[in-house]
Amino acid sequence: RKEVEQDPGPFNVPEGATVAFNCTYSNSASQSFFWYRQDCRKEPKLLMSVYSSGNEDGRFTAQLNRASQYISLLIRDSKLSDSATYLCVVSPSGGYQKVTFGTGTKLQVIP
Amino acid sequence: EAQVTQNPRYLITVTGKKLTVTCSQNMNHEYMSWYRQDPGLGLRQIYYSMNVEVTDKGDVPEGYKVSRKEKRNFPLILESPSPNQTSLYFCASSSFQGETDTQYFGPGTRLTVL
Repeated sequence: RKEVEQDPGPFNVPEGATVAFNCTYSNSASQSFFWYRQDCRKEPKLLMSVYSSGNEDGRFTAQLNRASQYISLLIRDSKLSDSATYLCVVSPSGGYQKVTFGTGTKLQVIP
Repeated sequence: EAQVTQNPRYLITVTGKKLTVTCSQNMNHEYMSWYRQDPGLGLRQIYYSMNVEVTDKGDVPEGYKVSRKEKRNFPLILESPSPNQTSLYFCASSSFQGETDTQYFGPGTRLTVL
């Protein structure tokens, strides 16, 4: 089993739709969780950290389920500019040492 | 402007010819890391450094060397490149503040080894 698994997609959704991605991780001792966004072959950029209590940033909501070992990302009211690959990142500690990236989920928002 | 720079951005070389990819950050970050990204495999960590003179292996360190003599620089060295090291390489840096960290990535270096 991969350490971090994501559905590669692509998820093709119309503008205005709500879309959700999940990411499962295998190391139950993982401490830090992040969602990054990567536009085509450019550098990844932090979208949001994922806190134990869940967190929201505008149209984006991240959740952590430790019991089932997955994190989720919900995007409401999708915009064309949300089209990108979303990377799940898991670390066994607070920070980025020994960090593991998922292979990403591709989102295409369609007009 | 806060940034991570990498050079060169594109490099085509031949098997066995030593090369260095430079990485520099201007944010006084303690933590720096190198990744490679390959289709279907995602980003994989090569080496990371927690501070000056402190480096450790990531998931795929074979064939690579790093050094951290200054806080701002973290060069990646390929002593004898091989075709399986053809990849897109990213350098990244962050401060060490736990779960709220932002890791800043450089623009990437596209390396082709013939």
